[in-house]
This record gives sequence, structure tokens and C-alpha cells, in this order.
Amino acid sequence: EAGVTQSPTHLIKTRGQQATLRCSPISGHTSVYWYQQALGLGLQFLLWYDEGEERNRGNFPPRFSGRQFPNYSSELNVNALELEDSALYLCASSYEIHYNYGYTFGSGTRLTVV
Amino acid sequence: KQEVTQIPAALSVPEGENLVLNCSFTDSAIYNLQWFRQDPGKGLTSLLLIQSSQREQTSGRLNASLDKSSGRSTLYIAASQPGDSATYLCAGNNNAGNMLTFGGGTRLMVKP
Repeated sequence: EAGVTQSPTHLIKTRGQQATLRCSPISGHTSVYWYQQALGLGLQFLLWYDEGEERNRGNFPPRFSGRQFPNYSSELNVNALELEDSALYLCASSYEIHYNYGYTFGSGTRLTVV
Repeated sequence: KQEVTQIPAALSVPEGENLVLNCSFTDSAIYNLQWFRQDPGKGLTSLLLIQSSQREQTSGRLNASLDKSSGRSTLYIAASQPGDSATYLCAGNNNAGNMLTFGGGTRLMVKP
């Protein structure tokens, strides 16, 4: 069974640009979660998508947005990049309605803003 | 709002020691609790999942327990090895939001 896959592995952008990160969940998982892990900081919840809809959002500005496609894959878009957006972005998937199965994480996208 | 705390933040032990990592949470309505391992610059690997009706889970040298009434979970690692060196994270969710809330992690170093 393929795990959660994220692309690209690394991304370097200039301040003010836009970044797009992608995530493919485990087959059969309908929920996708995005987390930010800045250097030296903990994992901060960004966004939760299920069945194509945004279900919850963390304490991040609107320039962080995303969407979930009919095949349950997801995109995270970060507009007007700032230096402090440099972080490891992790995606996780789960069965939304089956709370008991836990979460599986991808390997992450390392975003560097210069 | 659920808050998760992990103590200690860092731990260094000689190889072969048994050790306990602690995780505490503020909201006893925690539903599932999951322990993860993270190697530097990498994603998270799930170690153990304690489901809502369970109190304990074991996998190999790892054992995790959950006491909702006291707001605590512990991860026990038996006979530690240098390959166990990593950051260990606990995370829980509740019925309200379903997303995970993470602790700050315990950075473990096992010396040969």
C-alpha cells in the first residue's frame, strides 16, 4: 500500500512569490490535513479537508489556502511568501468518519523563502 | 482548546537503558492519542495509536499508556538502542475537531 506522498520534496521561492505544495493521501482516505513545522517550533495545524470541503482551519492568515480534489488529493497554496513561511510542511491523511484508525504522515515539503 | 505538553524536552541516555517519555494534555475529552517518531528533517512515523476505548498499546520494545482522568500518556522504551535516537511526539484529537494537537516533542539521544 502506497503511503502519503508529497511533492515537491524541496521548494525554494523568493519573498512575495506563490508556492504550491501537493499531497496524495493513502488510497481510501478521504481526509487530508496540513501542518507547518518551522525550525525549532512544534507542529502547527493549518488546514483540514474532507470530501472536497474545508472542515477546519488553524490560526494562519488567509494567504494560506488550499483545496481538495475529487480524487482526495490536496494542494496547499501560500501566497505573498514571507521569510517566516520557511518551514517543513507536512500532510497527513485519515479516514474521516473512522476516527479510530489514526493518521499517516507524508515525508514533507521543505519550503525555503529567500 | 486542547494543549499538549511533553516532558522532558530532551533526554540523553546510555544504550540499554529503559526510559519513559511523558505527555500531558489539558482536555480529558481526548479521543485518540498517537505517538510518532521524527528523524531530523523528515516526516512523522506512527509508532502507536491508543484508540478511545483503549488504555494501552504495545509494539516490540515500545509500550504506550493513556490515562484520560489524569490527562497523561507515557511512552516506555525498553532496552534503548542508538537507532532509537529521534524526536518523539505525542498528539491527540477530540470529538470536536478531529485534527491532531501535538506536543512539543522529546528529543532523545541514545549513546553507544
